[in-house]
Amino acid sequence: GAVVSQHPSWVICKSGTSVKIECRSLDFQATTMFWYRQFPKQSLMLMATSNEGSKATYEQGVEKDKFLINHASLTLSTLTVTSAHPEDSSFYICSARDPTGGTGELFFGEGSRLTVL
Amino acid sequence: AQSVSQHNHHVILSEAASLELGCNYSYGGTVNLFWYVQYPGQHLQLLLKYFSGDPLVKGIKGFEAEFIKSKFSFNLRKPSVQWSDTAEYFCAVLKSSGNTPLVFGKGTRLSVIA
Repeated sequence: GAVVSQHPSWVICKSGTSVKIECRSLDFQATTMFWYRQFPKQSLMLMATSNEGSKATYEQGVEKDKFLINHASLTLSTLTVTSAHPEDSSFYICSARDPTGGTGELFFGEGSRLTVL
Repeated sequence: AQSVSQHNHHVILSEAASLELGCNYSYGGTVNLFWYVQYPGQHLQLLLKYFSGDPLVKGIKGFEAEFIKSKFSFNLRKPSVQWSDTAEYFCAVLKSSGNTPLVFGKGTRLSVIA
């Protein structure tokens, strides 16, 4: 199946700093990528839809100025957590759908675990 | 709003026991249905999916799921679980064709004991 890769897989930062997470589709082009957040022992909650070449679409309750999304190319979307706080500590997962695959299956990155001290 | 309900938060089974995890969705239109598995420390992997046709879908590792339209359900089953099936299982629904995100249930943690 298609491959989606995230980097870094694990990051620890101080409160008030910013952290960038990259999501790449390795063997297909993705005009749209989805960013999810997963708190411990909870489900995946959609944060935003990242659209190549245009602004991201954020879900209700997600602060767009805090979670900056940039989808500058067909294979790369980035999520920047600005002025991070301990409550932002979570598992961030990106996903994309191979448009040539003909199915609705989403392929997921390995996830990025953010810990804010 | 569309929602996905997984009835069991944590299921504990002995090896060789049969498994059934419930999943119900609220959307009334055409849906595509998925079950994903997340093994400890790993990313999500697709177990099986339903788009159309035979409502009994077979996936990897001996899992299957049955789509019952009248009940808005897509329960996951396995006749005999193994210790290696210990994981978190997520049901997900795609409400329309096109490039839309999946909506996930809260997940069910399966613990298989020897």
